[in-house]
Amino acid sequence: QKEVEQDPGPLSVPEGAIVSLNCTYSNSAFQYFMWYRQYSRKGPELLMYTYSSGNKEDGRFTAQVDKSSKYISLFIRDSQPSDSATYLCAMSESSASKIIFGSGTRLSIRP
Amino acid sequence: EAQVTQNPRYLITVTGKKLTVTCSQNMNHEYMSWYRQDPGLGLRQIYYSMNVEVTDKGDVPEGYKVSRKEKRNFPLILESPSPNQTSLYFCASKSRGGETQYFGPGTRLLVL
Repeated sequence: QKEVEQDPGPLSVPEGAIVSLNCTYSNSAFQYFMWYRQYSRKGPELLMYTYSSGNKEDGRFTAQVDKSSKYISLFIRDSQPSDSATYLCAMSESSASKIIFGSGTRLSIRP
Repeated sequence: EAQVTQNPRYLITVTGKKLTVTCSQNMNHEYMSWYRQDPGLGLRQIYYSMNVEVTDKGDVPEGYKVSRKEKRNFPLILESPSPNQTSLYFCASKSRGGETQYFGPGTRLLVL
């Protein structure tokens, strides 16, 4: 079993929809949770960075962490065609330890 | 401008011929790392470094070496490349708390 599981998609939604992306994990020691966006032929870019449980909002993006269920989510409101990309979740036990990534979800926003 | 640079961007080599991929960052970040990305497997961390002269293995370190003699540089060394190391490689750096992270543009390696 992988430490971090992420549905690869692809996920296709119409412009303006709310998108929900999710990851589950098995290591209860994970404390730091991240979401990255990766456009084709580019390096990943950090979207959201959260510590422990709870919600974090940044513009149209909201990250949620539920440590009791070992489940994290990224919500994108008012989705735009420019949000079409692969989204990767990642987590680590500390800010200085190794980082484990999910396999990524390919998202397509239809105009 | 905050930047992580990698060289070369593209490399074709043959089995067994030692190669080095360089990585440099201009943000004075302490943490640097190397990843490989393969279809269906996502990003997998090869090695990471918490500071100068401090490195540790990631998930897939076999066949790779790293060194961190200066804060800004973190080269990846393949002493005897094999075809299963054909992949897309990314270098990254992040601030101590992790809130600021940058990835390089990637190095596409083909080992024949």
